[in-house]
Amino acid sequence: EPEVTQTPSHQVTQMGQEVILRCVPISNHLYFYWYRQILGQKVEFLVSFYNNEISEKSEIFDDQFSVERPDGSNFTLKIRSTKLEDSAMYFCASKVGAMDYQPQHFGDGTRLSIL
Amino acid sequence: GEDVEQSLFLSVREGDSSVINCTYTDSSSTYLYWYKQEPGAGLQLLTYIFSNMDMKQDQRLTVLLNKKDKHLSLRIADTQTGDSAIYFCAESRDNDMRFGAGTRLTVKP
Repeated sequence: EPEVTQTPSHQVTQMGQEVILRCVPISNHLYFYWYRQILGQKVEFLVSFYNNEISEKSEIFDDQFSVERPDGSNFTLKIRSTKLEDSAMYFCASKVGAMDYQPQHFGDGTRLSIL
Repeated sequence: GEDVEQSLFLSVREGDSSVINCTYTDSSSTYLYWYKQEPGAGLQLLTYIFSNMDMKQDQRLTVLLNKKDKHLSLRIADTQTGDSAIYFCAESRDNDMRFGAGTRLTVKP
């Protein structure tokens, strides 16, 4: 069964450094998402992406964050200057179409640790 | 505000039924989902229900939806130790998805 894959599984970065989290969505999916889960807290929506542009973003997704689909397969989340509070699990998700009955499929996540 | 609420912990004995509850506030939600998260892993879609349905059964899983009370439950029959995980309720509307904080299910032998 096709899966969403994320790399790396764990990223350790010094505060103030840039980090890029990578995702390969399911190949025929058109909608892509990033979520964040701070340890012990709920999964929070960051951003959705369709047709090479951001469709929606949350208050968390400020100017330090950006997303890109650099080629036909990868979907990346960049944090420009990381802060301690960016430490979290980051999940990528993809969805085949716009209909609500089509569920989002999640990757296993990247654990980001900021030192 | 619009939020999804779940109790944080549930402990059951192996072989018993587990019932995980969720309440949501957005009456325009069209689909409601249950995801399972095992330690160190991502979110695995278990099942979902359309908001005009009352019940959906899928093998050991039964989802009940009370739209009037905005209450969703997930029943796991014959709970096994492999069912130990965190279970997230989520609502979907207009391509947006909101999650509860998750219920940690512990299954004791």
